[in-house]
Amino acid sequence: DTAVSQTPKYLVTQMGNDKSIKCEQNLGHDTMYWYKQDSKKFLKIMFSYNNKELIINETVPNRFSPKSPDKAHLNLHINSLELGDSAVYFCASSQEFMWGTEAFFGQGTRLTVV
Amino acid sequence: ELKVEQNPLFLSMQEGKNYTIYCNYSTTSDRLYWYRQDPGKSLESLFVLLSNGAVKQEGRLMASLDTKARLSTLHITAAVHDLSATYFCAVDHAGGTSYGKLTFGQGTILTVHP
Repeated sequence: DTAVSQTPKYLVTQMGNDKSIKCEQNLGHDTMYWYKQDSKKFLKIMFSYNNKELIINETVPNRFSPKSPDKAHLNLHINSLELGDSAVYFCASSQEFMWGTEAFFGQGTRLTVV
Repeated sequence: ELKVEQNPLFLSMQEGKNYTIYCNYSTTSDRLYWYRQDPGKSLESLFVLLSNGAVKQEGRLMASLDTKARLSTLHITAAVHDLSATYFCAVDHAGGTSYGKLTFGQGTILTVHP
């Protein structure tokens, strides 16, 4: 029973297309995130939602638009895909506690733009 | 801006040997996490360190946190091949609406040889 699940796992698409990645968590967490891992394995936060409200919006092109229909789901829509968007995108969730916010990650979506 | 630096970035070890991975960070935080990533896989949470002097051990891995020095270490004892993976430290910005925003180190690629 996967805690944080993303679909699809692999996504190959042409430049200029629009695509979406879906994420669902069954941990009952209030906060969900999108992270991007580049070809050098560097991980950087993109967005964070808490109870469907956008909390963190890093410097990300506005072609990327997150949507959270409810606190268990956080989707990422990308418009007009560019070659530089190729990366692995990880969804994560956490529950804020005074004693830490351990994040649990999905299996990742490897996006390849050709 | 919070910066997190790991060293070494590449670590080739012989089985049975000990070694330490270091994680330095640039601004005050008392929340630090260690993750493991196998090739093509998700990030697995290893340790959650939430106070100065925190020490946690799991099997051959031991993590510690010195918030005054802004330093965490991940010590590997008597390495075995199964420990081969990429290890990331991540620091929580721990403040206001930035709770849960993790800044990751570059990752340390560990390879354990027979």
